[in-house]
Amino acid sequence: AQTVTQSQPEMSVQEAETVTLSCTYDTSESDYYLFWYKQPPSRQMILVIRQEAYKQQNATENRFSVNFQKAAKSFSLKISDSQLGDAAMYFCASYSGGGADGLTFGKGTHLIIQP
Amino acid sequence: EADIYQTPRYLVIGTGKKITLECSQTMGHDKMYWYQQDPGMELHLIHYSYGVNSTEKGDLSSESTVSRIRTEHFPLTLESARPSHTSQYLCASRVGTAAFFGQGTRLTVV
Repeated sequence: AQTVTQSQPEMSVQEAETVTLSCTYDTSESDYYLFWYKQPPSRQMILVIRQEAYKQQNATENRFSVNFQKAAKSFSLKISDSQLGDAAMYFCASYSGGGADGLTFGKGTHLIIQP
Repeated sequence: EADIYQTPRYLVIGTGKKITLECSQTMGHDKMYWYQQDPGMELHLIHYSYGVNSTEKGDLSSESTVSRIRTEHFPLTLESARPSHTSQYLCASRVGTAAFFGQGTRLTVV
């Protein structure tokens, strides 16, 4: 079974500053994938960034990057130059394909952007 | 945004009514999922499908049922709605490791 833990229910950051959202996970699988999803208020959940566990290099997508620490089972998301449109619930998720199919989500972090 | 649609977006219905939440995708994905999102925003997998005529229960037990008669369509049905079914329901489809979500249906049973 997989578990994903997000210990920060809410984070706040000033516009244009950098914020890091924390995530830890646990899995017995050797092949797995990690994701950060963004859910804006009343809008679709969208994929922000993805990391394959076998890749040592941290994934980056424009202002979004991850710090993947495999031994520590840590997968944090860094948002640089925060913008008002970044305000949303952010979910960390894992997928390994074993057991019941589908993503395993953390409880989410509500990100507030202060203008 | 991905081509996956859920209707209705919002539904308020009385106890005991039968309801069907619709989910359709135009991407031809075989794998589809239903998640229940509780008021604290936590997501739980309740059903999934690998393709036509395939349905499986997820990690969270649910009184709802699903069907998959066509690749693009994955409806969820509650035979007798109860207040405990009040929640947000998210539908998703997947290709490879990429999952695409609909906008959700917020169900309130009164």
